[in-house]
Order: sequence, then structure tokens, then C-alpha cells
Amino acid sequence: AQSVTQLDSQVPVFEEAPVELRCNYSSSVSVYLFWYVQYPNQGLQLLLKYLSGSTLVESINGFEAEFNKSQTSFHLRKPSVHISDTAEYFCAVSYSGAGSYQLTFGKGTKLSVIP
Amino acid sequence: NAGVTQTPKFRVLKTGQSMTLLCAQDMNHEYMYWYRQDPGMGLRLIHYSVGEGTTAKGEVPDGYNVSRLKKQNFLLGLESAAPSQTSVYFCASQGQGNYGYTFGSGTRLTVV
Repeated sequence: AQSVTQLDSQVPVFEEAPVELRCNYSSSVSVYLFWYVQYPNQGLQLLLKYLSGSTLVESINGFEAEFNKSQTSFHLRKPSVHISDTAEYFCAVSYSGAGSYQLTFGKGTKLSVIP
Repeated sequence: NAGVTQTPKFRVLKTGQSMTLLCAQDMNHEYMYWYRQDPGMGLRLIHYSVGEGTTAKGEVPDGYNVSRLKKQNFLLGLESAAPSQTSVYFCASQGQGNYGYTFGSGTRLTVV
């Protein structure tokens, strides 16, 4: 069965410090990978996605994630976080060739940025 | 561009009451999903639909029913609400060939 593991349920970090949120998925031949962000009391919004091509993908607000096929990982990073980055982050994977594009989600990582 | 709209946004039910949550999308998406979100549990799939007139069970379907009579709408019903169904419910839609979801803003349901 498909699975996504987010290794940290909570990550506290000081403002302007770097952060990495980890995500690993169960191995498959071809995958599509996503990070979603959920701000307090809101729905989930797509942050960035990997479909093909360059293994490094970026968002408009400074986050980036790198697809690493050998390690089956898609870790999310930001070199300097802001208070406004406080949110819950969900990693998700879709397996191509399964006849469905249904996403499997990790359990989420709560990022708390400390002033 | 409304995207995915969920109604209502908040609801309090008494145990045993019934209700229907409505999800409407205006993007002509084929696939629609209902999730519930509980602390520490992430998102759990309740039911989903791959097209008008079709529905299928997800990970936690018990106590819920769904219908997709029109392509743009996906209804989630609770026939006899229980306190264990207290949760935040999210609807999502997905187009064919579009590999990501668009989420609604959620419905916060409390069953007392």
C-alpha cells in the first residue's frame, strides 16, 4: 500500500532560522509529489509540486523541495522563516499508472516560528 | 473564481440528528473527495467520486453516505450523528490530468 511518512509532527524554529520538514514515501516507479500548507482555521493550499523535470522545485514564498528518488524523499526547506510561515504542512504523493491520481497524505508537520 | 465552496462552515448537531454537507466546484473537475481532519490523525478519506453518478468508499466511510447527482456537487450525509463524528470536514476536487487537489475551506462540525 502507498504511504507517506512525515517524520516530525511538530517543528519549532526561531524566526530567520532555516528549517527542513521531512517527507518520505513508499517506493514506486513513478510518483508525483506535493506539499500543501494549512494556515490556522483555513483549508489546505498547494505550496509546490513535483511532476517531472528538475528535481528542485520552488514556491513563490521562498520554500523549496527536492525530489530524491534514491532516498524516496521530498523534504521541504526554507533558508529563513518568518512568523507568517507558522502553519501545518502536509506532504502528499500520487502514483502514476495506478489508473487514479488520488493523493495519499502524510499526517502533517506543525511548524511554529518563534519570535 | 470561487473554486471549491463548502456549506455550511460551522454546525452543531445533537446526537442522532442528521445533516448534509454540500461541496460545490466550478472548475468542471471529474474527481471529488471528502476528508475529515482530526488532531494528530492527518486527513482521512471518507468517500470519493470519479465522476457524475459514481461514488466509492475511502478509509473511514462508516456512518456517512454520499451522492454525486451533478458533476459540480458532492454531498456528504450523516444519517444519525455521533460524537465521534465531531471533526473538520474538507472537500477537494481534482481535474483529469491535473495531479493536485483544490480544497474547500472546511466545515467544522460538533456533535453533542
